[in-house]
Amino acid sequence: GQQVMQIPQYQHVQEGEDFTTYCNSSTTLSNIQWYKQRPGGHPVFLIQLVKSGEVKKQKRLTFQFGEAKKNSSLHITATQTTDVGTYFCAAPTGGGNKLTFGTGTQLKVEL
Amino acid sequence: DAGVIQSPRHEVTEMGQEVTLRCKPISGHNSLFWYRQTMMRGLELLIYFNNNVPIDDSGMPEDRFSAKMPNASFSTLKIQPSEPRDSAVYFCASRENPGGPQHFGDGTRLSIL
Repeated sequence: GQQVMQIPQYQHVQEGEDFTTYCNSSTTLSNIQWYKQRPGGHPVFLIQLVKSGEVKKQKRLTFQFGEAKKNSSLHITATQTTDVGTYFCAAPTGGGNKLTFGTGTQLKVEL
Repeated sequence: DAGVIQSPRHEVTEMGQEVTLRCKPISGHNSLFWYRQTMMRGLELLIYFNNNVPIDDSGMPEDRFSAKMPNASFSTLKIQPSEPRDSAVYFCASRENPGGPQHFGDGTRLSIL
C-alpha cells in the first residue's frame, strides 16, 4: 500500500531557529494535508495543498507541495515554544476516502 | 460548536475484559474514522464509516475488535477480550466532505494490564 515517509523523525531547536519537515510519497498525490499534535493532545488540521508547486503561508508556517506532487514540506520560521509538537502530513488513499498519515516529525523547542 | 466527543478519556482494565470506546461525531459530518496511535506504529486507521455504513475495516487488527455506527451521531469501538498489546490511544475523527479535513476527538487512553 501507499507509504508516506517523513524526515526527520525528531528535531530539537533553540527558540528562534527555523525548522523544516519533509514528507515523501511513493506515488503521485491528489492533495496533501498537514496536522499538528501537541504533547498529550490530538491531531489538529492545519492546511491542505492541492496544486502542483503550491505554496501557502500561515503566519510563520510555510507549506509547499512539490511540482511532481510526490513530496511536501512544512517550514517554520523563528520557532517559538508554542510550536512544540508532532507534525504529520497525510495523503488520501482508498480513492480519496481515507488518509494515510506520515510517520510524523516531533519538534522540541528549547529556550 | 462542539467538536468530536469521545468517552471515556482514560480506561484502565485487566486483560480479558471487554472494552467499549464511544464517539459522537460533529453534527452534519458524514464520515467517521477510528484510529489507534502507539509509539511503535504511529497513527493507524482501524475502520471508517460513510453515512453510518462501514466502508473499510482492513485496519482492524483482529476479530477481537469490532465497530458499529447505529446512527449518525454515535459510534462504538469494542475490544473483546482485551489484551495488553491493545494499550494505545484511540482517536475518533469525523469529516464533513470527501477529501476534506478530519476533526479529531481528544482520544481515549487505554491501558490493559
